[in-house]
Amino acid sequence: EAGVTQSPTHLIKTRGQQATLRCSPISGHTSVYWYQQALGLGLQFLLWYDEGEERNRGNFPPRFSGRQFPNYSSELNVNALELEDSALYLCASILGFGPEAFFGQGTRLTVV
Amino acid sequence: RKEVEQDPGPFNVPEGATVAFNCTYSNSASQSFFWYRQDCRKEPKLLMSVYSSGNEDGRFTAQLNRASQYISLLIRDSKLSDSATYLCVVNGRGSYIPTFGRGTSLIVHP
Repeated sequence: EAGVTQSPTHLIKTRGQQATLRCSPISGHTSVYWYQQALGLGLQFLLWYDEGEERNRGNFPPRFSGRQFPNYSSELNVNALELEDSALYLCASILGFGPEAFFGQGTRLTVV
Repeated sequence: RKEVEQDPGPFNVPEGATVAFNCTYSNSASQSFFWYRQDCRKEPKLLMSVYSSGNEDGRFTAQLNRASQYISLLIRDSKLSDSATYLCVVNGRGSYIPTFGRGTSLIVHP
């Protein structure tokens, strides 16, 4: 069974551009969570999608947004990129309400 | 106060040593507790769940103290391959959002 997959694995953008990150959860998992992990910091919760709806968002500005598609895959969009957006972005899927979260390998976003 | 707090370390121990990590959480209504392991530049992976009765998996033992709101992870007979960052994770009641500690770095040396 395929795990959580994320694409691309690496992304380099310039300040002010937009980035789109993608995540495909494990088959049958309806919940997708997005986290940001900046260098030396812990995982910061960004967004939670379940059954196509945004259920909760973390303490991030509105330029971080996303959506979940009918097949439960998800997209994270970051507009007006800033240098401090450089981080590893991790997607996790959970079956129903948990408890275990399965992570993709992450997208490493570098803003120059 | 942060929701989940961990000593970032690093904990630098020789092979064969016993090492313990603690993690405190602020939400007394938290329901589920886990330890994840994250290798350098990789994604976190579940190490073990933590139950009130405590649980053991080989060299690893996890404990939960609800009264004091902390969880612990004990690693016995440390191996070089145990070198990683150990993340404490707490799920709150009703929020269903796994909240991660910053992680504790463990370095096991020969």
